[in-house]
Amino acid sequence: AQSVTQLDSQVPVFEEAPVELRCNYSSSVSVYLFWYVQYPNQGLQLLLKYLSGSTLVKGINGFEAEFNKSQTSFHLRKPSVHISDTAEYFCAVSPRNQAGTALIFGKGTTLSVSS
Amino acid sequence: GAGVSQSPSNKVTEKGKDVELRCDPISGHTALYWYRQSLGQGLEFLIYFQGNSAPDKSGLPSDRFSAERTGGSVSTLTIQRTQQEDSAVYLCASSSTGNTEAFFGQGTRLTVV
Repeated sequence: AQSVTQLDSQVPVFEEAPVELRCNYSSSVSVYLFWYVQYPNQGLQLLLKYLSGSTLVKGINGFEAEFNKSQTSFHLRKPSVHISDTAEYFCAVSPRNQAGTALIFGKGTTLSVSS
Repeated sequence: GAGVSQSPSNKVTEKGKDVELRCDPISGHTALYWYRQSLGQGLEFLIYFQGNSAPDKSGLPSDRFSAERTGGSVSTLTIQRTQQEDSAVYLCASSSTGNTEAFFGQGTRLTVV
């Protein structure tokens, strides 16, 4: 079975500051890794994903994440945040090449950007 | 349709009543997921359908919850004898074979009064 731990439930930052949202996972098999974002009163949308290849993955809106297999982490980063980045961010995993298993999500991190 | 469609968008029901929530996945997607989103709880996995395989029901919180997927497309999540703790946003998602990306609907906000 897989599990996801998002280490920070809330992250307050000032505009133009850098941010890192932490995600650790546990799995006995290789996994795909995802970050989803949910803006206020909207549905979830994919921010970025790691399937294979380069461990540094770039997504939409200037976000990037780095897969670290030895530390079983997939932390999300942005060098300079905007007010519009205020949202809930979810890390998720799914087993690689295993049909019949669902995406497992962390509990989410609320990013609050203020001026 | 172009995306995952859920209906109704909002549902208010009285405690003890049964409710049905509907999900229309993206055409051709073989996998369909139901999740429950409660404040502070993140996305709680409920049930997962993949093609013609038996669904993974391991996330259903009680036997009051059930789901079916007819013809490999539309899915209905049924909650019997609703309780106040069932109040949440119920999200449906679908993906193509390989689970490389799940596309989410806007959700159904269920309020049990």
